[in-house]
Amino acid sequence: QVQLLQSGPEVKTPGASVKVSCQASGYTFKSYGISWVRQARGQGLEWMGWINPYKGSTNYAQKFQGRIIITTDTSTRTASLEVTSLRSDDTAVYYCARFPVAGPGDSWGQGTLVTVSS
Amino acid sequence: EIVLTQSPGTLSLSPGERATLSCRASQSLSSNYLAWYQQKPGQAPRLLIYGASSRATGIPDRFSGSGSGTDFTLTISRLEPEDFAVYYCHQYNGSPGTFGQGTKVEIK
Repeated sequence: QVQLLQSGPEVKTPGASVKVSCQASGYTFKSYGISWVRQARGQGLEWMGWINPYKGSTNYAQKFQGRIIITTDTSTRTASLEVTSLRSDDTAVYYCARFPVAGPGDSWGQGTLVTVSS
Repeated sequence: EIVLTQSPGTLSLSPGERATLSCRASQSLSSNYLAWYQQKPGQAPRLLIYGASSRATGIPDRFSGSGSGTDFTLTISRLEPEDFAVYYCHQYNGSPGTFGQGTKVEIK
């Protein structure tokens, strides 16, 4: 079955960077995109960006342009999200999800809590 | 950016009752690229409906989606105890994909 396994919780200070990983199994990795979505405590879902593992092409929400980098390593079937210049309002649970081209997120990782605090 | 507005914010119902959730888009969604997710506390979202009206794999038939253009509806025909959760609509018509703010279905 499709599984997306994310890395563990992180605590960072303001201004630092964080990298969250997402290892996929149970499907052909290059055939589906991976999106990153975040959710602050008690808040809704916020789409951050998407990557096509086959082409390596990315698409970022304008809000995050210049501050996030999404990559994949097809040899390890892993997608990664790096967020730079962290602020306290970046504190959230970060989810990876399998997003087919022109499709919704049909399988989700368990989420990774990133806490930004001085 | 396409804005999705969900209503109501909270729906208080009893098990066995029918739930009707609304999602309105700020512009028309081509090919009805509209999905619905269910999220329970401490869990990741779960895809229920895609393409406005197609049920995802393993989703019970008490969940149904309808609508087109800018107005969409998720209906739960008879609420089961496990259906009390937050529901989000999501458009994947263009970039960026956006989500509604959510509707909480709570036990009355």
